[in-house]
Amino acid sequence: QKEVEQNSGPLSVPEGAIASLNCTYSDRGSQSFFWYRQYSGKSPELIMSIYSNGDKEDGRFTAQLNKASQYVSLLIRDSQPSDSATYLCAVNWWTNAGKSTFGDGTTLTVKP
Amino acid sequence: NAGVTQTPKFQVLKTGQSMTLQCAQDMNHNSMYWYRQDPGMGLRLIYYSASEGTTDKGEVPNGYNVSRLNKREFSLRLESAAPSQTSVYFCASSEAQSYEQYFGPGTRLTVT
Repeated sequence: QKEVEQNSGPLSVPEGAIASLNCTYSDRGSQSFFWYRQYSGKSPELIMSIYSNGDKEDGRFTAQLNKASQYVSLLIRDSQPSDSATYLCAVNWWTNAGKSTFGDGTTLTVKP
Repeated sequence: NAGVTQTPKFQVLKTGQSMTLQCAQDMNHNSMYWYRQDPGMGLRLIYYSASEGTTDKGEVPNGYNVSRLNKREFSLRLESAAPSQTSVYFCASSEAQSYEQYFGPGTRLTVT
């Protein structure tokens, strides 16, 4: 079992809908959680970081963390075609605080 | 503010040749990273440097060496390139406290 798992997709949603991306992780004393967006042929860019249980909102993006259930999710409200990309989940553990372990990513397509 | 820069952008090597990938950041970050990304996969950590003068192996270090030349620069060397090292290589940097990573544009390496 991978330490960080994401549905590979592809996930397809209509424009204006809510896109929900999920990530589960193994329990090794998790510390920090990140969502990165990667357009095809480009480098990853940070969207959200979340460090404690609950929700964190930034514009159309909401990250949700549930440490008891070992999952972190990213909601994208009012999805736009420009949101079409691969979304990478990353986790840092206390034992390797400086290193992130990445999931394989979920590809999202927003159809006009 | 250039962020994280990488050179070269593209490179083709023959099996057995050597080369060095260069990375520099101007954000005064302590931590720097080298990743490889193969098609349809997430990022795999090759080497990590928590600060100038320190380096640590990641998930896939075999066949690579690194040098943290100073706080700004972190280079990755392939001593004897193999076709299995064909990949896209990303350099990243982060602050020590947040671990939010900022990526360079990547180097596309093909080994024939």
